[in-house]
Amino acid sequence: GIQVEQSPPDLILQEGANSTLRCNFSDSVNNLQWFHQNPWGQLINLFYIPSGTKQNGRLSATTVATERYSLLYISSSQTTDSGVYFCAVASNGYALNFGKGTSLLVTP
Amino acid sequence: NAGVMQNPRHLVRRRGQEARLRCSPMKGHSHVYWYRQLPEEGLKFMVYLQKENIIDESGMPKERFSAEFPKEGPSILRIQQVVRGDSAAYFCASSPVNYNEQFFGPGTRLTVL
Repeated sequence: GIQVEQSPPDLILQEGANSTLRCNFSDSVNNLQWFHQNPWGQLINLFYIPSGTKQNGRLSATTVATERYSLLYISSSQTTDSGVYFCAVASNGYALNFGKGTSLLVTP
Repeated sequence: NAGVMQNPRHLVRRRGQEARLRCSPMKGHSHVYWYRQLPEEGLKFMVYLQKENIIDESGMPKERFSAEFPKEGPSILRIQQVVRGDSAAYFCASSPVNYNEQFFGPGTRLTVL
């Protein structure tokens, strides 16, 4: 199956700092999503981005499908951004393969 | 517009009992997906269903697990004769069509004693 690698695995930031999370995948995809799993375990949709660039407030994402990677940018981080960020991809349109995630801790 | 609903949110079963997990997709969504999050294995796809049809169950264990999405009512993930290794968070997601963004429910956390 398709392999998904996320980096870094862990990240500690001070409030206000910016960060970039990376997702590499091993095959062409027709679905790519970024999620935030909050400390209560809920999966929050951030972006549906099989290609191109999107922005939503302090978050933005870019997927370069031809080079098989996606980036999630977090600017002016807040303590509520803490949690695990997952990248998930599908090559058949529906069976999302999740990476192991980036665990983010934002300190005051 | 209500999101994906799952119940119960927490479920405790003893070994050998049955577990039934329910999922109501978002309004207007006819595609349902189940995923399992095991502590050391991460999130894994289990099954993809449309109304009254199982489209792909390749990620579901061959024994004891079954899923359905009837014409009326929620999708059900059923685990018979649960074992400790079934303890996990089970997430349901839905989408309006295939090849589209999936929206996840809050999950059901199953604990097998």
